[in-house]
Amino acid sequence: QVQLVQSGAEVKKPGASVKVSCRASGYMFTNYAIHWLRQAPGQRLEWMGWINAANGNARYSQKFQGRVTITRDTSSTTAYMELSSLRSEDTAVYYCARDSRAISYYRSGNFLSWFVPWGQGTLVTVSS
Amino acid sequence: DIQMTQSPSTLSASVGDRVTITCRASQSISRWLAWYQQKPGQAPNLLIYDASSLESGVPSRFSGSGSGTDFTLTISCLQPDDFATYYCQQYNSFPVAFGQETTLEIK
Repeated sequence: QVQLVQSGAEVKKPGASVKVSCRASGYMFTNYAIHWLRQAPGQRLEWMGWINAANGNARYSQKFQGRVTITRDTSSTTAYMELSSLRSEDTAVYYCARDSRAISYYRSGNFLSWFVPWGQGTLVTVSS
Repeated sequence: DIQMTQSPSTLSASVGDRVTITCRASQSISRWLAWYQQKPGQAPNLLIYDASSLESGVPSRFSGSGSGTDFTLTISCLQPDDFATYYCQQYNSFPVAFGQETTLEIK
């Protein structure tokens, strides 16, 4: 079955960076985009960015532009999200999620869709 | 950016009740809306997409309706497993956005 498995919890100091991985299985990795989202305590779900797993092109939310980098490794069918200059407000559960539609569905390269499935989530705690 | 507003933020109900959660978009999103259920410690789980299409494997007591700016998620006969948190998500335009959540609790 389609599955996304994320790396484990992280504790980081303010100003540091964190890199979370998301290993995909059960489907052709390069056929779908992968999205990254986060859920901070008491906050709504927030979309951070996506990566086209076929060509590696990424697009980010303006809120995180300049601090987030999403990459992928097709040989290991793994996507990565790196967030830099961490601050306490970045404490959150970070999720990867697969786009619901194949890349071939899209004409524009804008992956606007719902998400299924999701990874299990990775708690990132930023604390001095 | 499109803003999504859910109501109510908390809903108290009993097993067997029929409940409705609403989601309003700050501008028209056609039918490009999804609903998710989330339980503590778990990732969100897709219920509905394209406003009214039921995801495979989701019980038929869940239904969605609406278009434009106003949408509803209805659970026709609450089961114990349904007490959870619910989110709407628009995917009409960049960036996708979520509602702030509705917590369904046992009365």
